[in-house]
Amino acid sequence: AQSVTQPDIHITVSEGASLELRCNYSYGATPYLFWYVQSPGQGLQLLLKYFSGDTLVQGIKGFEAEFKRSQSSFNLRKPSVHWSDAAEYFCAVGAGNAGNMLTFGGGTRLMVKP
Amino acid sequence: DAGITQSPRHKVTETGTPVTLRCHQTENHRYMYWYRQDPGHGLRLIHYSYGVKDTDKGEVSDGYSVSRSKTEDFLLTLESATSSQTSVYFCAMAGTGVYEQYFGPGTRLTVT
Repeated sequence: AQSVTQPDIHITVSEGASLELRCNYSYGATPYLFWYVQSPGQGLQLLLKYFSGDTLVQGIKGFEAEFKRSQSSFNLRKPSVHWSDAAEYFCAVGAGNAGNMLTFGGGTRLMVKP
Repeated sequence: DAGITQSPRHKVTETGTPVTLRCHQTENHRYMYWYRQDPGHGLRLIHYSYGVKDTDKGEVSDGYSVSRSKTEDFLLTLESATSSQTSVYFCAMAGTGVYEQYFGPGTRLTVT
């Protein structure tokens, strides 16, 4: 069975600073990988996804993520954080199985200082 | 996502009462899911459906049942609500061959 670990429960960065959120997964084959964002009181919105090919994927809102097979990681990055990026971020892994099921990490809450 | 809605958005109920949450999608997607979200646990899968009348259990299915009589509707029922089922419940959908899931706005359920 697959699993996902997001080591950082909370992260605080200053507005304009760069951001990296960590995600490590456990899965025997090439996984399908996702990052979602959840603003307070809202549902989850898909930021980006990796299925195959180029290991650096671009998403919405200026986010990108890099798949590193050797490190079993799929870290999310943004070069310059905006106050509106304050939210909770979830990494998820899918096996492409019959049920299209995803396994989510515990989430990282991002706070942005002015 | 505009193509998926949940009702009610908020509900307070008493221990021991039955509760049904509804998820409705307009995308004709094959797969639908129910998750619960609790602090420190991320999202945990309760049940999912891979077609009309086809459902299966997820990670935390005890105390919950589901039904899907139409493609567009997926119902989650708590037969006898307990305080441990106080949570935020999210519904999601996915199309065939499309591995990402799209989420509804959530239902906040409080069991007193």
